[in-house]
Order: sequence, then C-alpha cells, then structure tokens
Amino acid sequence: AQTVTQSQPEMSVQEAETVTLSCTYDTSESDYYLFWYKQPPSRQMILVIRQEAYKQQNATENRFSVNFQKAAKSFSLKISDSQLGDAAMYFCAYRRYNNNDMRFGAGTRLTVKP
Amino acid sequence: DVKVTQSSRYLVKRTGEKVFLECVQDMDHENMFWYRQDPGLGLRLIYFSYDVKMKEKGDIPEGYSVSREKKERFSLILESASTNQTSMYLCASTAGTATNYGYTFGSGTRLTVV
Repeated sequence: AQTVTQSQPEMSVQEAETVTLSCTYDTSESDYYLFWYKQPPSRQMILVIRQEAYKQQNATENRFSVNFQKAAKSFSLKISDSQLGDAAMYFCAYRRYNNNDMRFGAGTRLTVKP
Repeated sequence: DVKVTQSSRYLVKRTGEKVFLECVQDMDHENMFWYRQDPGLGLRLIYFSYDVKMKEKGDIPEGYSVSREKKERFSLILESASTNQTSMYLCASTAGTATNYGYTFGSGTRLTVV
C-alpha cells in the first residue's frame, strides 16, 4: 500500500514570513495525484493545492506553491507571506490515478506567530 | 455551495451501544468515504463506496460496517461501540475516478465512547 510521510509534527512561522512543509510518499505507480489539505480549528478540511504526477510544472495557488520532485517522491508545500489564518493542521495526501481512495500523512500543525 | 453534511458534530455513547454516523452529500458524487482521524496517525480509511449498495474495506474496517442505500447517503455503523473507537470521524465524497479532483469533506463527528 502507498504510504505518505510528514516528518514534521509541528512547525512555526512568523507572520509575513515563508514556511515549507515536507511530505514524502512511497509508490510504484507512475500516474497519481498529490494534494495538500488544510484543517483549521473548525475541522473543515479544505483543499489547498493539487498536483498531477505527469505534470513537471509545480502547482501554484496564490501564496501556496509546491515543490514536486517525482524521482525523490517528495512533495513539499511552501506558504509565502504567512497570515494568521494559515494556522491549521496540514495534511499531505496521495491518490493513485484511476483509483478513488486517498492516503493521508499524519499531518503537520502550523502555528503562525504575530 | 456544495456540501457534505454529517449529522452530529459531537456524540457521546456508551460501551456496547450500536452507533450510527450519518453522512449526506448534495453533489451527486458516486464515491463516498469514511475516515477516522487520530493525533499522530492522520486520516485512516475505514470504508468507501463507489456506488449504491457497493462497499469496499479500507485499511481499518474491523469493528465497523457501512450502508449505502441511496446515492447521497453513506452511513457508518459501530455494531458494538468500544472505547478504542473514540475518535474523530470524517466523511468525504468525490466524483469519478479519472479526475484530479480532491475530496469534499464533512465537518467531522467527534465520537466519545464511555
């Protein structure tokens, strides 16, 4: 089974600074999708960004971008100009192409200091 | 606004009780999922369903069953609740397989078994 590893249980960043959250995954597949989800204290999981494995270009959504290294099986999330509202649990997730079930990492709790 | 609705935000049940967790989605999604979320373990897949009356076991199905009689509703059943089933339960749904769509999640049910 595919596994997703987030090696940083907690991270902290100063408001307006940049932070990078790490994620590695294990798979023998060549086609798959990767996701970052945010879970604020409200508990509502929010999709932050997604990446298709066949795309070499890294995905970007406003202040959020990824560094996708397919050979290294690495998928890190960079948050630029951090805001207080970015404080949340962040989950990295993997989904095989043409398959429905998604695998999640253990999560990283991000604190944003004013 | 598309939604996945979980019937209870908090639930307290006694050991040995039969517990029903309900989830309803209004997006006409084929696929629905039940996860449990525990600190340090992330989200673990319990069961999923890709069609009415169809179900598949996830990684931790023991002690749980599911029911999907209608497309929009997916129920998780704890036949005889135990204290080790105290957890956060998240329901999610998504459209068909060959897409890069992420999941849409409900707000979670925090279940305490005493």
